[in-house]
Amino acid sequence: AQTVTQSQPEMSVQEAETVTLSCTYDTSESDYYLFWYKQPPSRQMILVIRQEAYKQQNATENRFSVNFQKAAKSFSLKISDSQLGDAAMYFCAYRSFDTGANSKLTFGKGITLSVRP
Amino acid sequence: DTEVTQTPKHLVMGMTNKKSLKCEQHMGHRAMYWYKQKAKKPPELMFVYSYEKLSINESVPSRFSPECPNSSLLNLHLHALQPEDSALYLCASSQIGTSELYEQYFGPGTRLTVT
Repeated sequence: AQTVTQSQPEMSVQEAETVTLSCTYDTSESDYYLFWYKQPPSRQMILVIRQEAYKQQNATENRFSVNFQKAAKSFSLKISDSQLGDAAMYFCAYRSFDTGANSKLTFGKGITLSVRP
Repeated sequence: DTEVTQTPKHLVMGMTNKKSLKCEQHMGHRAMYWYKQKAKKPPELMFVYSYEKLSINESVPSRFSPECPNSSLLNLHLHALQPEDSALYLCASSQIGTSELYEQYFGPGTRLTVT
């Protein structure tokens, strides 16, 4: 079974600064997908960024980028130019490559990010 | 339209009540999911429907009864719940396919309180 570990329960960043959220995972599979989801307080969970394990290039979405280290099974999220609206709980998640109709996400415990004005 | 809607937003029910949660999507997704989420915790998968058929039941107690009347709609029927069932119930949907990166889209959730 796959596991996802987010070891830091909380982090804080100054507005306009850069912060990196850590995530490690364990799997015996060679192909899979990784995601970062954001859940603001009392608001909807949305996908921030995703990475296909077979792609060597790190995914980037505007101010969000990942550092994907497949051999180390590490998938960290970097948020540049942090904004107040980035304050949320962030979940790292794993999905097997070939699950078809039974697609399941394995979530980490999450990390609460606060942004200081 | 990348929206998953859920009703009601909030629900308070007694332990002897029967109620239902509703989820709807019009993205043509053929997989739909129910999750339970406690505060400051990750979502826990409860059920997965694929092509309107139940494909995964994560050993959920029978007081939770899912139903998928059509490809756009997902219900969760609640009966004789316990106070520990109080949580945020999230619905999600996705396309289906092997070898495809189909993300799950989440609804805003129903906050359930069992008294």
